[in-house]
Amino acid sequence: EAQVTQNPRYLITVTGKKLTVTCSQNMNHEYMSWYRQDPGLGLRQIYYSMNVEVTDKGDVPEGYKVSRKEKRNFPLILESPSPNQTSLYFCASSRTDRGFKETQYFGPGTRLLVL
Amino acid sequence: RKEVEQDPGPFNVPEGATVAFNCTYSNSASQSFFWYRQDCRKEPKLLMSVYSSGNEDGRFTAQLNRASQYISLLIRDSKLSDSATYLCVVNRRSQGNLIFGKGTKLSVKP
Repeated sequence: EAQVTQNPRYLITVTGKKLTVTCSQNMNHEYMSWYRQDPGLGLRQIYYSMNVEVTDKGDVPEGYKVSRKEKRNFPLILESPSPNQTSLYFCASSRTDRGFKETQYFGPGTRLLVL
Repeated sequence: RKEVEQDPGPFNVPEGATVAFNCTYSNSASQSFFWYRQDCRKEPKLLMSVYSSGNEDGRFTAQLNRASQYISLLIRDSKLSDSATYLCVVNRRSQGNLIFGKGTKLSVKP
């Protein structure tokens, strides 16, 4: 089954404790992206990657890191989480054959609470 | 002006109604346009891409007006299952940099 998986799905942590949210896709997609969704602010792009070893900032990259060492994985790293990073996080992937007309497939989301 | 603006909603309509959502975008260089659907606490899913000539998929019709920087989504014969939040999505400075509108909530009542 074609899918994007994220782990963990739910996480409660404390300020300053480094964490990683994993994202993996099994569709051989070149493009992957991370978003956060907050009430009243909608979905905002954190980072995206057009292919292996190619990453770029989205609109809200501060406090986050990403890496793309393999095509299928795109982990999101919070080196020193703060309460304002409490949010619902989505990973997404897509092909890029037709420019950027392809469907983005989203993972199920990760709910993060930083105390 | 916000980069992507949508009707705030909520739209409460009876089954069978026709409902239209509007979206405006500020970057005239945008090339890719989409409508996504998001059910409560779930991941967004692509409803349809929006092409310059307009496109239709069953009960759903999307239109793009580049001159006015305006995108629309028309839903005909609304079903209870259409209840969701509809997100307008536009790309920005690069193909991969996507901007989501805040969404318009639709509630279809029996």
